[in-house]
Amino acid sequence: KNQVEQSPQSLIILEGKNCTLQCNYTVSPFSNLRWYKQDTGRGPVSLTIMTFSENTKSNGRYTATLDADTKQSSLHITASQLSDSASYICVVTYTGTASKLTFGTGTRLQVTL
Amino acid sequence: GAVVSQHPSRVICKSGTSVKIECRSLDFQATTMFWYRQFPKQSLMLMATSNEGSKATYEQGVEKDKFLINHASLTLSTLTVTSAHPEDSSFYICSAQIAGLNEQFFGPGTRLTVL
Repeated sequence: KNQVEQSPQSLIILEGKNCTLQCNYTVSPFSNLRWYKQDTGRGPVSLTIMTFSENTKSNGRYTATLDADTKQSSLHITASQLSDSASYICVVTYTGTASKLTFGTGTRLQVTL
Repeated sequence: GAVVSQHPSRVICKSGTSVKIECRSLDFQATTMFWYRQFPKQSLMLMATSNEGSKATYEQGVEKDKFLINHASLTLSTLTVTSAHPEDSSFYICSAQIAGLNEQFFGPGTRLTVL
């Protein structure tokens, strides 16, 4: 069982609409949680990073939330654009293994006209 | 800042040949670089961790004699896939980490196709 699970696996929304992606993790204790955007055929690009003491972090139209008690995070995308079509990956780092990242399964988002 | 490049971006080779992929940190020195492999519709899987000037640490199940990693300088790491086979076809991504900073910066990836 993957220690970082994301839902939904894929999502199609209309341009201009909002959406929320979910991430549940069992990694413990954890150091930080990151959300990445990965365009097809490209490397991941960091959107947000949160430590266990942070509840929310925004980056433009992207807002990430974290509930360390329930081990859940979400990524909310506001006013979606066609360029938001990509895979969104939730990544958790263990405390003590500072450099080792545990990758989620990813959510494939497609924004259509 | 914190730009990581990879070369080539895509390569096609015949089975049995060796392929070298370069990973460079363009505007910072990376004491540690990581190599990942990603199969279609799957997440990134860490292959190995390399520190400048020392031997790479490979993840379980990754053959060190098949995937040769060299981290000769603070800005360059190379991954050589030796005697490539079709099952080695994948998307290879490197990342680089600045000393003391708990964040990895990813390269754009290299698409390897072995015929």
